Amino acid sequence: DAEITQSPRHKITETGRQVTLACHQTWNHNNMFWYRQDLGHGLRLIHYSYGVQDTNKGEVSDGYSVSRSNTEDLPLTLESAASSQTSVYFCASSESRRNKETQYFGPGTRLLVL
Amino acid sequence: DQQVKQNSPSLSVQEGRISILNCDYTNSMFDYFLWYKKYPAEGPTFLISISSIKDKNEDGRFTVFLNKSAKHLSLHIVPSQPGDSAVYFCAARDTTSGTYKYIFGTGTRLKVLA
Repeated sequence: DAEITQSPRHKITETGRQVTLACHQTWNHNNMFWYRQDLGHGLRLIHYSYGVQDTNKGEVSDGYSVSRSNTEDLPLTLESAASSQTSVYFCASSESRRNKETQYFGPGTRLLVL
Repeated sequence: DQQVKQNSPSLSVQEGRISILNCDYTNSMFDYFLWYKKYPAEGPTFLISISSIKDKNEDGRFTVFLNKSAKHLSLHIVPSQPGDSAVYFCAARDTTSGTYKYIFGTGTRLKVLA
């Protein structure tokens, strides 16, 4: 069965450290997305990609970067972790067709920045 | 400025009764509206969607209604079951300029009381 996985599921790091969260999907979807979920804000888009070598900034992209070297993976990097980046991070993917509107989400990564 | 709003952070309903979750949006260019259900420590899972050209979509106990003139949609769950207790996110798909972005509301926590 196709799926989308995230690793690690939990991470504790210190302020200033670089952190990379992995996302891997086997749906063969062109579109991949990273969100963060915070109380009172719902899911906010960090970065997204419509295919290999394509990346775009979302509404809360400051302090984050992504790269897309293949269809399956979209790693999210926090260049210098800050306490404000403590959150739950979700990766998602979707097809690039107008009649395929569903996004599929990974299980999430809970990140704590001390 | 939030384009998708869920003004009720929580809702409690008795088992067997109807649950009605509401969502308002501001952008008339959204082409699909989706509802996701989220349990603790899991990623959101797709529940039901509706195209902007329809006003109702039904799937078992779940029905979504779209009122384009009011820019309002609602999710009806009948009858409500204790397993429906979760956070429900409303989302809208933005495909302007060839993009496939999803804008999420802040979520409504539904509690179904046995």
